Amino acid sequence: DAKTTQPNSMESNEEEPVHLPCNHSTISGTDYIHWYRQLPSQGPEYVIHGLTSNVNNRMASLAIAEDRKSSTLILHRATLRDAAVYYCILYPTGANSKLTFGKGITLSVRP
Amino acid sequence: DGGITQSPKYLFRKEGQNVTLSCEQNLNHDAMYWYRQDPGQGLRLIYYSQIVNDFQKGDIAEGYSVSREKKESFPLTVTSAQKNPTAFYLCASSPGLLAYYGYTFGSGTRLTVV
Repeated sequence: DAKTTQPNSMESNEEEPVHLPCNHSTISGTDYIHWYRQLPSQGPEYVIHGLTSNVNNRMASLAIAEDRKSSTLILHRATLRDAAVYYCILYPTGANSKLTFGKGITLSVRP
Repeated sequence: DGGITQSPKYLFRKEGQNVTLSCEQNLNHDAMYWYRQDPGQGLRLIYYSQIVNDFQKGDIAEGYSVSREKKESFPLTVTSAQKNPTAFYLCASSPGLLAYYGYTFGSGTRLTVV
């Protein structure tokens, strides 16, 4: 399976935008890019996913590079509740494919 | 509201005992999954099921068993054969086993072997 590379951690200030990067240079043409986040002692929460085009929802935006070798999760206005581990995952299209989690990036938000 | 319910939230087990973790969903999802998470690590897939009466091994199935007799339920049994069962267990579901579906996770069961 194609892998993703994320920084171990990132800090941001409350009420400022946050850009979380993800590199996936070996992505195949049919891999979806999924993002989940996990707050301490809770189950992961779906954030957003996309294939080729940028995506927006009420939680975040996903910007996908034209060559699809990298993507960025954008939180438009960070709150303290956004402090979590964020996972960028490539999800292959095809029978029996599943989500495979890496270690993710730990986002800290300063008041 | 639809969602996934995992119970119990905390579970203590003596060495050598089997224990069953419950996972129920009311989302009408076809696919269900069990993951294990160790401290500071990502999630690892134990078992998954696409439809009732069918399930497949994930990456770390040894020492675990599952059943899928109803669409809504996917219980996980941690057997005495699992050498290091202390972990955080997460159940998830999705409409199907396809990449354009997002997963919904439960709040987890923390199992401790004493």
